[in-house]
Amino acid sequence: GAVVSQHPSWVICKSGTSVKIECRSLDFQATTMFWYRQFPKQSLMLMATSNEGSKATYEQGVEKDKFLINHASLTLSTLTVTSAHPEDSSFYICSPTAGLGHTDTQYFGPGTRLTVL
Amino acid sequence: RKEVEQDPGPFNVPEGATVAFNCTYSNSASQSFFWYRQDCRKEPKLLMSVYSSGNEDGRFTAQLNRASQYISLLIRDSKLSDSATYLCVVRTRSNDYKLSFGAGTTVTVRA
Repeated sequence: GAVVSQHPSWVICKSGTSVKIECRSLDFQATTMFWYRQFPKQSLMLMATSNEGSKATYEQGVEKDKFLINHASLTLSTLTVTSAHPEDSSFYICSPTAGLGHTDTQYFGPGTRLTVL
Repeated sequence: RKEVEQDPGPFNVPEGATVAFNCTYSNSASQSFFWYRQDCRKEPKLLMSVYSSGNEDGRFTAQLNRASQYISLLIRDSKLSDSATYLCVVRTRSNDYKLSFGAGTTVTVRA
């Protein structure tokens, strides 16, 4: 399978601070990047979709000014949680993909566990 | 109604047992179906795709029933290492091929 890295793997921060999460596809070019979050015992929820060089498309209910996504290259995308609050504590997972066809396998980064105090 | 629904379990089974569970999906236009495995505090990993005719991968068998809009996963000869949460995942072209995830079915295999 594809190699995807995420950094950091976990982070604890104070309320009001910003946290940047990096996602890299190490062995393929990711034209599209999906960002998900998962609360305990719940399903992965898609937050936003970004295509390299374009603005991200956010799912309903996800604040684009709070969750800043940058997809400047085919191998790197970042998600910045601005002014984080305890309710933003979650497991954030990136999923880069080289294609969007129905047969394309989607791989996931190892996730970043964010805890906001 | 959720796009993908699963029985959360947990299913507690002894080693060597067979365990099976289903998931239902709401969009009849869904095209691709997958089972992912997620271990505690880890990312999902693809277990197997589910094909229309049903398919098998070692001890794992997946079935698709389009008429009733459900897919199933059966695990034979359960191993301790099969303990995980199994996510039912559906992809729909009308949703730009985005994946829709179930909340997962937890399986615990005991010695």
